[in-house]
Amino acid sequence: AQSVTQLGSHVSVSEGALVLLRCNYSSSVPPYLFWYVQYPNQGLQLLLKYTSAATLVKGINGFEAEFKKSETSFHLTKPSAHMSDAAEYFCAVSDTGGFKTIFGAGTRLFVKA
Amino acid sequence: DAGVIQSPRHEVTEMGQEVTLRCKPISGHDYLFWYRQTMMRGLELLIYFNNNVPIDDSGMPEDRFSAKMPNASFSTLKIQPSEPRDSAVYFCASSLGLKGTQHFGDGTRLSIL
Repeated sequence: AQSVTQLGSHVSVSEGALVLLRCNYSSSVPPYLFWYVQYPNQGLQLLLKYTSAATLVKGINGFEAEFKKSETSFHLTKPSAHMSDAAEYFCAVSDTGGFKTIFGAGTRLFVKA
Repeated sequence: DAGVIQSPRHEVTEMGQEVTLRCKPISGHDYLFWYRQTMMRGLELLIYFNNNVPIDDSGMPEDRFSAKMPNASFSTLKIQPSEPRDSAVYFCASSLGLKGTQHFGDGTRLSIL
C-alpha cells in the first residue's frame, strides 16, 4: 500500500530565504511522485512530478525536488522565497502501474516580508 | 485552453435538501476524479471514472452520495439527503491516460446548514 507523509503542517520563512517542504513516501513498487500547489479558493496545480527519469526534478516557479530512494523522500525546495509562494503544498504518490494518487495532508507555507 | 469547469462555485442549502455538483472535464481527457477537501480529513478521493465508466467508488462515504458521467464532457456528484457534515470543498479533476497529470477545477464550496 502506498502512503505519503508531509512533515509540518505549517512552515514559515522570510522573503528571500530557502524554502524546504518535506515529504516521505511509502510504496511497494517504484513510485510516481508529485508536488501540487493550492492557492486560496483555487484547485490544485501541478508544480512538478517524478516518473523515474532524473532524480532531480525542476518544476514551475523556481521549485525543484529530489527523489532519494534510500531515504524514501521527495522534499521540495526553492532557493529564495517570494511573497507569491504563500500557499498550501501537497505531496502525492502514485505507482508505475496504477493511477490512484494518494495525497499528503498538505503543508501551508507562510512568507514573511 | 479551458480547464476543468465546476459549478456552482458556492452552494448553501439546508440539511435534507438534494445537492448536485457539476463538472466539465478538459476535452479529450479520459479520466475524471471527484475529491472532497476538509480541514479535518484533508483531500479525499471519492470516486473516479475512465471513459465515463465508474472504476472505483470506495471513497464515497455513504449511499447518500452518488456520481454519474453520462458522457465524456459532463459529470455530476449528488448528495441526497444532505447533512451538515457534508460541508466541504468538492473538487473535480481530469487527466489524459493512466499516468497523466490531474488537472483540477476551482472547486465547489458546499455549506449545509
